This record gives sequence, C-alpha cells and structure tokens, in this order.
Amino acid sequence: DAGVIQSPRHEVTEMGQEVTLRCKPISGHDYLFWYRQTMMRGLELLIYFNNNVPIDDSGMPEDRFSAKMPNASFSTLKIQPSEPRDSAVYFCASSTGANQPQHFGDGTRLSIL
Amino acid sequence: AQKVTQAQTEISVVEKEDVTLDCVYETRDTTYYLFWYKQPPSGELVFLIRRNSFDEQNEISGRYSWNFQKSTSSFNFTITASQVVDSAVYFCALKSGNTGKLIFGQGTTLQVKP
Repeated sequence: DAGVIQSPRHEVTEMGQEVTLRCKPISGHDYLFWYRQTMMRGLELLIYFNNNVPIDDSGMPEDRFSAKMPNASFSTLKIQPSEPRDSAVYFCASSTGANQPQHFGDGTRLSIL
Repeated sequence: AQKVTQAQTEISVVEKEDVTLDCVYETRDTTYYLFWYKQPPSGELVFLIRRNSFDEQNEISGRYSWNFQKSTSSFNFTITASQVVDSAVYFCALKSGNTGKLIFGQGTTLQVKP
C-alpha cells in the first residue's frame, strides 16, 4: 500500500520566495498532520485536519504560514514570504483516528537562503 | 501541562549489547496514548508501538520490548542484542485529551557500533 507521499523531497529557494509543500495522505485516513523538525525545537505540530477541516492551527508560527486541504487526498503547506529561519524538515502524517498511530511521509527538506 | 522527557540525548553501545531508552511523560488526563517512533539516518519516521493508559502490560516484539509503568509515568524501550541497523534517533510521544496532537520528546540518538 502507498504511504504518505510528500513533494518535493528537497527545496532550496531564496528568502522572500513563496514555498509550497504538498502532501497526499494514505487513502481512508481522516486525519492529516503537518509537523516541522529542527535541531533547536525538535518535532512540533503545526496544524492538523479532520475530514479536510482544520482543527488545531495553534502551532502555525505566524501569518506567513498557511495550510489547506481542498479534498481528502491532498493538502498544501504554504510559506509566503519565506525566511531563512523557516529552514527545516517538514513532515506530513495521516491517521485513521485521533488516537491511532500517525504514519509519516518522508519529509521535505527546506532550505531558505 | 503535557510533556515528554527523554533524558538520554545520545547512547553508544557495541553490537549485541542490550540497551534501554528512557521516556518519562507528564499529563493530567486519565486517558492518554504513548508512542515510540524510529528515525533512521535516511530521515523518515517509522511507527513502532502504541499503548493506551489503561493497558500496563509489557509488550515484546522480536528484539524490542516496552515497559509501561504508570506509577513512575514512564514508558521505556529496550532493544535486546542490538544490531548496527538499530542505529537511529528514537522518539517517545504522548497524545492525551480530546486532541489529535502528538507531543514528542527530544529524541535519543542510538549508535550501535560493530
């Protein structure tokens, strides 16, 4: 079975540019999560959706970050404008329920120059 | 407040040694779930196990075993007869309350030397 699919795997861009990260959850999973991993802050939840509806976006660092889930099989995380401090690995995960294991994609390694 | 503490930042062992990774959690909820994930050098996060707060039975899966003790708020992970392929960062995580949010510990880097 296909796991969570993220694209791109790597992104290098200049400060000020718009960045869009994409995620396809596992089919049948109702929950979708976006995490960010950095050396300083570890793994932190940015936002999660249930049935395409954002439930908790308290981890989104600031207005430059936005996330959407237009349908059950696709979500985007957008940063506009990007800054060097946004450099991190961004993971998408999905699960069948709030208490069920979250299955992670391979991540997007983002570098903002 | 909810918190997960993995006090061991790095552990280095020689192949075939047993190793235990510690995890201590904090929550005021009576219903909660604990998880362990593995992050190998390739970077992906791999789910290993989930336990709920009402089931304190220890679990064994091959060379892996988990010891859940509510009295000490701990959920420790033991690898028996470690192998080089076990080298990775291991994360303990907590989910409690009516949220889907996972709280991760800072991770323990395990290096198994041949």
